[in-house]
Amino acid sequence: GNSVTQMEGPVTLSEEAFLTINCTYTATGYPSLFWYVQYPGEGLQLLLKATKADDKGSNKGFEATYRKETTSFHLEKGSVQVSDSAVYFCALLSNFGNEKLTFGTGTRLTIIP
Amino acid sequence: SQTIHQWPATLVQPVGSPLSLECTVEGTSNPNLYWYRQAAGRGLQLLFYSVGIGQISSEVPQNLSASRPQDRQFILSSKKLLLSDSGFYLCAWRRGVQSTDTQYFGPGTRLTVL
Repeated sequence: GNSVTQMEGPVTLSEEAFLTINCTYTATGYPSLFWYVQYPGEGLQLLLKATKADDKGSNKGFEATYRKETTSFHLEKGSVQVSDSAVYFCALLSNFGNEKLTFGTGTRLTIIP
Repeated sequence: SQTIHQWPATLVQPVGSPLSLECTVEGTSNPNLYWYRQAAGRGLQLLFYSVGIGQISSEVPQNLSASRPQDRQFILSSKKLLLSDSGFYLCAWRRGVQSTDTQYFGPGTRLTVL
């Protein structure tokens, strides 16, 4: 079956540091890949997505590239801010018509000033 | 633009009591609708999804049920809550055109069963 493995947290960084949150997946076919962000006490918001190999999703300074050869979709940001503190979820959606979004366990990120 | 609402925002219920959580979507028609649960310290688990009125698919057997009485309304229910039902419940929607379309999430309901 499909699965998503995400970098264990929590992650604590200083403001303006470089961020990488690793995400690898197992899936048949050609899934779409997503990063969602959950701010404290809120629901999930779509951060970025990629629907085919070598696509790069980007939003709010975050980027992730769909790497089929390494089955990865790592999230990166060059200079984090305190407002980026949140829980980040990597997810995949199969292209076989299955309705199920498969999520990683989430990575809690805390940015200190 | 489309918006998704959930209520209540928080709920504290005793074990054995019934449950009804509501989710509505505005600004779109015939959406696919989903219920997820996020237990403390764990990822998200898909509970139910619906592709149309009266059509419900269950992903995980449990004491919860879902109903879709109207096109843009999705309800999560239980006749008798268990302690293990505590968690953060999220409703989501997506357009029904392509299976890879993005799912958009509501603000969630935090349920505590005592």
